[in-house]
Amino acid sequence: GAGVSQSPSNKVTEKGKDVELRCDPISGHTALYWYRQSLGQGLEFLIYFQGNSAPDKSGLPSDRFSAERTGGSVSTLTIQRTQQEDSAVYLCASSLVGTGLPDTQYFGPGTRLTVL
Amino acid sequence: AQKITQTQPGMFVQEKEAVTLDCTYDTSDPSYGLFWYKQPSSGEMIFLIYQGSYDQQNATEGRYSLNFQKARKSANLVISASQLGDSAMYFCAMRESGGSQGNLIFGKGTKLSVKP
Repeated sequence: GAGVSQSPSNKVTEKGKDVELRCDPISGHTALYWYRQSLGQGLEFLIYFQGNSAPDKSGLPSDRFSAERTGGSVSTLTIQRTQQEDSAVYLCASSLVGTGLPDTQYFGPGTRLTVL
Repeated sequence: AQKITQTQPGMFVQEKEAVTLDCTYDTSDPSYGLFWYKQPSSGEMIFLIYQGSYDQQNATEGRYSLNFQKARKSANLVISASQLGDSAMYFCAMRESGGSQGNLIFGKGTKLSVKP
């Protein structure tokens, strides 16, 4: 079946502009995660949605970052007033239930964001 | 303190030989899972193998096996019969079952280069 998809694959924006990144999880997966990967680094957790529960936003680096998940499926990560330090690859993952083990997370191809 | 430590920033291996990528972890949760992901230059994170803290045997998946030493808190990935296509970044990650978050905690990764 189809994997996790993300769009756009690349986004170049100017400092101060807002951007929206989209993630479409694997069909039937109730949990969705956003991570950020800066150049040459590991993945940094941003936000986690599980079913209809309130999202876990504990990883969001500032209030310029927000995310929503509509209809329990597609998610949008929004970065307002982008800064150069926001330049990174934003990876989305989904898993079947979001709790228990292993509940393996499967990743999308990522969106490479460049803020000029 | 880092929860996942990968001490080898880069590794070289000759084609057809075996290679071990190190990973140590830190947790007080008795129930946890350890995951290895491969990230080729294309950027997508590919799930390789999983080991649960209560699993009695080391996990194996084709050419990948996990050398799990619970008392030493290590979960090293062994790749047998290396192929040129194995050249990539490899990330070790952990998820704690008792944690309130569902996210994975990643190490900084090891860059593996396979020489012909």
